[in-house]
Amino acid sequence: DTEVTQTPKHLVMGMTNKKSLKCEQHMGHRAMYWYKQKAKKPPELMFVYSYEKLSINESVPSRFSPECPNSSLLNLHLHALQPEDSALYLCASSQEFRTSASSYNEQFFGPGTRLTVL
Amino acid sequence: GDSVTQMEGPVTLSEEAFLTINCTYTATGYPSLFWYVQYPGEGLQLLLKATKADDKGSNKGFEATYRKETTSFHLEKGSVQVSDSAVYFCALSGNQFYFGTGTSLTVIP
Repeated sequence: DTEVTQTPKHLVMGMTNKKSLKCEQHMGHRAMYWYKQKAKKPPELMFVYSYEKLSINESVPSRFSPECPNSSLLNLHLHALQPEDSALYLCASSQEFRTSASSYNEQFFGPGTRLTVL
Repeated sequence: GDSVTQMEGPVTLSEEAFLTINCTYTATGYPSLFWYVQYPGEGLQLLLKATKADDKGSNKGFEATYRKETTSFHLEKGSVQVSDSAVYFCALSGNQFYFGTGTSLTVIP
């Protein structure tokens, strides 16, 4: 199984709602990532989990809260979002994070969740 | 540090035209190189990859060769179709993962 799955595919939420995005991989990868992507721009890294521990938080506002319940699952909890947070949220995984063996850093992407904040 | 520089877009071509999207990189060590494609409204798909110098990645008529001497990984296709309209991202996997800025391609009939 070389697939990263994400749910939901689309999400519309108000600024006072609480929702969660989910990501799952069964490739035995030990690194998982959340990216935010605006139209026709490259993905912007938000968070990295390595061996289920948060390794990188790229100064993301606290209204985004990541969670890694186990090595296969990654969640992104959303609360009190702003309209400018509307974007495509991508999950990715790789065998390892920041290793000298470059092929281990190859990232596999999910299809994304398109989020609209009203 | 490592980085990827990608040709600015947007690019507009007629169907059956030849496509080149330039990508150059800076890296220490021996990175792997990738091209990802993103069709309208979809996520990123791996188009092709090369893991060492002189490797040629190919898929769906697209090709790119890992050239260490020119630190390049240019994407080419001999005859583009309307269905190739998408955004193309060059990426590098060194000790971390880096994306280029993306090139938007529109193919007109």
